[in-house]
Amino acid sequence: GAGVSQTPSNKVTEKGKYVELRCDPISGHTALYWYRQSLGQGPEFLIYFQGTGAADDSGLPNDRFFAVRPEGSVSTLKIQRTERGDSAVYLCASSSGRGGETDTQYFGPGTRLTVL
Amino acid sequence: KNQVEQSPQSLIILEGKNCTLQCNYTVSPFSNLRWYKQDTGRGPVSLTIMTFSENTKSNGRYTATLDADTKQSSLHITASQLSDSASYICVVIGLSGGYNKLIFGAGTRLAVHP
Repeated sequence: GAGVSQTPSNKVTEKGKYVELRCDPISGHTALYWYRQSLGQGPEFLIYFQGTGAADDSGLPNDRFFAVRPEGSVSTLKIQRTERGDSAVYLCASSSGRGGETDTQYFGPGTRLTVL
Repeated sequence: KNQVEQSPQSLIILEGKNCTLQCNYTVSPFSNLRWYKQDTGRGPVSLTIMTFSENTKSNGRYTATLDADTKQSSLHITASQLSDSASYICVVIGLSGGYNKLIFGAGTRLAVHP
């Protein structure tokens, strides 16, 4: 596709429910990143995929959060037993994965998650 | 701890005026620094990229400076337009496990009024 797309754009759920957020990266990009952005703050790193594998998941806050990228393209961020503190905008980005200073991350529009 | 701090937190200027946004960082090791623009409800978009050896870089009406010794950067916007209203985020790229790890500041929220 032309850019990174994320679905849904908005998700409202109740405390304790399970949610899945989807990211479609730019075609051909091997690197994919998930970030979480709370109101008035900059994005915080969650997890980085190179291909199908999670190369760095050090930003995941706890074991309720999990992400997959089974075919090295689309990724799904999964949150179990959601809590009100999980409410935020979840941003996905992708890059060529070649590294170096020109390896720009391109961001999707985000999914706004609200946990009631 | 790797940190990126920005000031001011928010700024209101009149259309046509100039403004300067500040960024201080303590990220190490340091690869490069970018300024991103984030419109409401959108993802961030890269405006400029600077390596530690560059002092200044321009992109249209945006000019970024970098002092790697003092670990400070600024973004200067000239002849502001209404469409410049957005959050401007300073992002320092550190090297972690062979990939570019982005560390974001909290952003400066700029409002340009007619």
